[in-house]
Amino acid sequence: GDSVIQMQGQVTLSENDFLFINCTYSTTGYPTLFWYVQYSGEGPQLLLQVTTANNKGSSRGFEATYDKGTTSFHLQKTSVQEIDSAVYYCAMRVRNSNNRIFFGDGTQLVVKP
Amino acid sequence: AQTIHQWPVAEIKAVGSPLSLGCTIKGKSSPNLYWYWQATGGTLQQLFYSITVGQVESVVQLNLSASRPKDDQFILSTEKLLLSHSGFYLCAWSTTGVNQAPLFGEGTRLSVL
Repeated sequence: GDSVIQMQGQVTLSENDFLFINCTYSTTGYPTLFWYVQYSGEGPQLLLQVTTANNKGSSRGFEATYDKGTTSFHLQKTSVQEIDSAVYYCAMRVRNSNNRIFFGDGTQLVVKP
Repeated sequence: AQTIHQWPVAEIKAVGSPLSLGCTIKGKSSPNLYWYWQATGGTLQQLFYSITVGQVESVVQLNLSASRPKDDQFILSTEKLLLSHSGFYLCAWSTTGVNQAPLFGEGTRLSVL
């Protein structure tokens, strides 16, 4: 079935470190992939999305590439800041199932000053 | 610009009592609407979606029901709350199409005692 997997429950970094959050997906359909960010006590905000395979999405210094070969959509940022501390969710929406949106379990990012 | 508003912001309810949570979208006609539930520290679980007034599809019920009485309104309810209903309830909207990202409201925090 359709699913999104984030293996990292928590990532702890220092300011200016490189961020890499794993996301892999599984579907037999044609997905659109998203990254959301959720700050404590708030609803998730859309960070970026990619519709087409092998394309890259970017926003606020974050990047993710839709890699159809490895079925991955990893999130990266060159230099994290303390304000980036939040929970990051990878999500997928699949054609012909387009009212179901599948979320990964989320990755808590803690950035220390 | 479109805005999404959820009410109430927070509720403390007794086990066995009824519940009604609301969500209103302004600035967009015929949106797709979604209800999500999030346990504390957990991922986003899609509960319901609606593509038009009067039509609601269940994804995971959790002893809850949803209704769409108006184009811009989505209601989540139950007649008898369970302890397991505690958590964060999020309403989201999108336009139609697999490439459209759900955009979330600010959420309602529910504590069932």
